[in-house]
Amino acid sequence: QQQVKQSPQSLIVQKGGISIINCAYENTAFDYFPWYQQFPGKGPALLIAIRPDVSEKKEGRFTISFNKSAKQFSLHIMDSQPGDSATYFCAASKGGSARQLTFGSGTQLTVLP
Amino acid sequence: KAGVTQTPRYLIKTRGQQVTLSCSPISGHRSVSWYQQTPGQGLQFLFEYFSETQRNKGNFPGRFSGRQFSNSRSEMNVSTLELGDSALYLCASSLGTATDTQYFGPGTRLTVL
Repeated sequence: QQQVKQSPQSLIVQKGGISIINCAYENTAFDYFPWYQQFPGKGPALLIAIRPDVSEKKEGRFTISFNKSAKQFSLHIMDSQPGDSATYFCAASKGGSARQLTFGSGTQLTVLP
Repeated sequence: KAGVTQTPRYLIKTRGQQVTLSCSPISGHRSVSWYQQTPGQGLQFLFEYFSETQRNKGNFPGRFSGRQFSNSRSEMNVSTLELGDSALYLCASSLGTATDTQYFGPGTRLTVL
């Protein structure tokens, strides 16, 4: 059972544009929602994370929007750069723990120069 | 601070063999989690060890096992290898508290022939 659904599978944006990746979850016990960035040959690296007590969190060019009632959250990358080209994974976990993550299927982002 | 290290980085085995992968966490981290990454199933949680005890376990067969040593280093073992076990095996370490961050290693690429 896929508990975290991620879309789109791939995304191409122009340099300077906004990249938007969406995730939906089913398990209402989830209470920690991180986004990870993965470059080829590397392990995933935490980008930004949110807990359900807030609806939005911003760190630099990266923003998470969270809609608890719809059980959806999204990643917005403002002023996208070619260096942002990577695979992005949303994830979720429960019990307040940042471990035992359930990952989405990933989005391959390509930012054209 | 040195990151999470995994050895070996690449491994080729044949069906029926067994394999042991190693993970050295970031200094001071007591929690080590293992994930399997495949193109078809994505990133899936295997298990987590904390202070030499398995704390959480994912939905994988008993052929997958692990252990953690007193210095927090962890090993993962897969017995009776199957073709479907070909994957990138990722190790992640954290302090082990509820709100900490998981840091991933570069992974071990296992190919089963």
